[in-house]
Amino acid sequence: QVQLVQSGAEVKKPGASVKLSCKASGYTFTNYYMHWVRQAPGQGLEWMGIINPSGGSTTYAQKLQDRVTMTRDTSTNTVYMELSSLRSEDTAVYYCARAKNGGGGDCYYWGQGTLVTVSS
Amino acid sequence: DIQMTQSPSSLSASVGDRVTITCRASQSITTYLNWYQQKPGKAPNLLIYAASSLQSGVSSRFSGSGSGTDFTLTISSLQPEDFATYYCQHSYSTPFTFGPGTKVDI
Repeated sequence: QVQLVQSGAEVKKPGASVKLSCKASGYTFTNYYMHWVRQAPGQGLEWMGIINPSGGSTTYAQKLQDRVTMTRDTSTNTVYMELSSLRSEDTAVYYCARAKNGGGGDCYYWGQGTLVTVSS
Repeated sequence: DIQMTQSPSSLSASVGDRVTITCRASQSITTYLNWYQQKPGKAPNLLIYAASSLQSGVSSRFSGSGSGTDFTLTISSLQPEDFATYYCQHSYSTPFTFGPGTKVDI
């Protein structure tokens, strides 16, 4: 069965960077795009971007364009999301999510989420 | 970028009620519209994709309709487990923006 297992919670100081991982199993890793979605405490869902694990191409939300980098390692079936120049507003639960079909824009399978806390 | 709005932002309902949530896109997205349910502390769950296709395993009391810019999610007879927050999301072109959510409570 499809599983997305994310790395553990992080506490970072403002200005630092964080790199989260999402390890996929139960399907052919390179056949499905992976989204990253975040949710600040008590707030709605924010789509951050998408990576094609096959070639590594990415598309990011414009507001995060300068600070986010998504990568993948096909040898370990893992995608990564690095966010730099952290600020308090980046405190959120970060999810990876796989589309139902190939490069679809829907988010069918979700990781368990990783809480990132940015605090001095 | 395509902006998504939802109405209402919250609603109070009772078990057995018929509930309708509206989602509007800032431009036509044909039927590239998804609906999610999220309960506190949990990841969202995909209910409806392509505006009206019920995800496998999701109760048939959920239905979706619409095309172009206006969409609805209907819960035909609200059950206790349906009290949650519902989000629409378009998948027409990146960025795949989510709506602000509709909280359904008692």
